[in-house]
Parts: sequence; structure tokens; C-alpha cells
Amino acid sequence: AQSVTQLDSQVPVFEEAPVELRCNYSSSVSVYLFWYVQYPNQGLQLLLKYLSGSTLVKGINGFEAEFNKSQTSFHLRKPSVHISDTAEYFCAVSGSRSGNQFYFGTGTSLTVIP
Amino acid sequence: GAGVSQTPSNKVTEKGKYVELRCDPISGHTALYWYRQSLGQGPEFLIYFQGTGAADDSGLPNDRFFAVRPEGSVSTLKIQRTERGDSAVYLCASSSIRDSEQYFGPGTRLTVT
Repeated sequence: AQSVTQLDSQVPVFEEAPVELRCNYSSSVSVYLFWYVQYPNQGLQLLLKYLSGSTLVKGINGFEAEFNKSQTSFHLRKPSVHISDTAEYFCAVSGSRSGNQFYFGTGTSLTVIP
Repeated sequence: GAGVSQTPSNKVTEKGKYVELRCDPISGHTALYWYRQSLGQGPEFLIYFQGTGAADDSGLPNDRFFAVRPEGSVSTLKIQRTERGDSAVYLCASSSIRDSEQYFGPGTRLTVT
């Protein structure tokens, strides 16, 4: 079975500071990893995904994530956050490219402080 | 193009009543998923359709929950004898056969009083 752990439920950070949102997964098979963002009263939007290849993945809005197989992690980073980045962030894992359910973490609430 | 749409956006019902939640996937997407998101939690898988058939319904919590997709496009999630614990946001997502990404709708917020 697959599972995702997001250890930080809330992360406050000052505007223009860097941020890292942590995600660890457990799986005995190859995985595909995703980060989604959910703005207030909106649906989930894909930030970035790792399927194969380069372990450093770049996404939208200046976010990037690094797949670390030995540490079973997929942490999300941004070097300088903006007020508009305030949202809920979800890490998800899937066992195949398509046709499989996603397993989501419990989410990390990022609050950017002016 | 149009994204995934879900109706209604909000539904308030009394305990014991029957509800139907509708999902319109992106045109041409053969895969459709239902998830449930409780307050403070991540989305939790309920059921997955490939075409008209339910390929995986292992996430449905009990037999009060049922979903259909009769023509391989629109799907309806049906909940019988609703309980207060069913209160949550119900999310629908769709994807194409070749795509790893799931595209999510805005969700239906169900409140059982």
C-alpha cells in the first residue's frame, strides 16, 4: 500500500523568504509523485509532477521539487514566496502513469506574511 | 477548453435523505475519479471509472455509496441514508488514457444536518 506524509500542517513564512514543504511517501513499487495547490474555495491545481528522468522537477509559479528515492521524499521548494502563494498544498503519489488512484497527504497550509 | 464541472456546488440535506452529486469530466477523458475531502484532510479515493465501468471501487466506505457513469462521460455519485459523517467536499477528477495528471473539479460541499 502507498501512503504520503506531510509532516508540517502549517507553515508561516515572510514574503520573499524561501520555503520548503516536506513530503515523504512509502511504497514498495515505482511511484509517480505530484504536488497540487488549492487556493481558497477553488479546486486542486497541479503544480508539478515527477514521472521519471531528472530528479529535479520544475513547476508553475516558480516552484520546484526534488525526488529523492533513498529518502523516499519529494519536498517542494520556492526560493522567494509571494503573498499570492498563500494556499493549501497537497503531495500525492500514484502507482502508475494513468488509471490509478492518487494517495494524498493531509496537506500543508502555507501562509505568506507581508 | 472547459474543465471538470461539478453540481451542485453546495448541498445541505437532512440525516437519512438520499443525495446525488454530478460530475462532468473534460470532454474526451476516459478516466474519471471520485474523492472525498474531509475538513483538515487530503482527498481520499472513492472510486475510479475507465469508460462506463467501475475499474476500482475499493474506496467506497460502505454500501450506502454508489456511483454510475452510464455513457462513459457524466458520472453521478449517489449516497443513500446520509449520515452526519458523510459531510465533506466531494471531488471529481478526470484524465485521458495517456495522461498522468488528474484534472480536478471545484467540488461539491455536502453538509448533512
